[in-house]
Amino acid sequence: EDQVTQSPEALRLQEGESSSLNCSYTVSGLRGLFWYRQDPGKGPEFLFTLYSAGEEKEKERLKATLTKKESFLHITAPKPEDSATYLCAVPNFGNEKLTFGTGTRLTIIP
Amino acid sequence: IAGITQAPTSQILAAGRRMTLRCTQDMRHNAMYWYRQDLGLGLRLIHYSNTAGTTGKGEVPDGYSVSRANTDDFPLTLASAVPSQTSVYFCASRQGYTGELFFGEGSRLTVL
Repeated sequence: EDQVTQSPEALRLQEGESSSLNCSYTVSGLRGLFWYRQDPGKGPEFLFTLYSAGEEKEKERLKATLTKKESFLHITAPKPEDSATYLCAVPNFGNEKLTFGTGTRLTIIP
Repeated sequence: IAGITQAPTSQILAAGRRMTLRCTQDMRHNAMYWYRQDLGLGLRLIHYSNTAGTTGKGEVPDGYSVSRANTDDFPLTLASAVPSQTSVYFCASRQGYTGELFFGEGSRLTVL
């Protein structure tokens, strides 16, 4: 059974303090790993897709990386508007559905 | 604005009552999904549909049913609501096999 584990559950950073969020996975043949951002009271919003170990994607202050066992979401010099819950997900073997991790709740303090 | 529309936004329901959560998309996506989101448990898949006329069970399907009569609509029905179905429900869609799911704003359901 596919499993996705995210850590930490919650992270509080000062504005400008860089850090990383972790997503480790156990799947029978990786067919991609996806990152989403979710604001309170809203549905998740797609950020990145990573397909192979060594791949990196960037968007503003966020950079996602992928190894054979885990993915990191690096946040550089974050701003308060980066505060959100960040979710990662993997597709099942048939690529019919996504399994999500429980997320990391990120708070950036001004 | 294109996207996913869910209704109702919020509902309080007595246990034992029947409830249908509505979901409509205008992006002509083939696949649609219903997830529930609970604190500490994350998003869990209830049912999905890869194309109109077909449906499949997700991780937590018991007590829920879905139908997919056309491409745009994917209603979720609770035949006889129970308090454990108190949750936030998200409908989503995607085109093809990309990882990009488009989510609705959610329906917050409280069963008393």
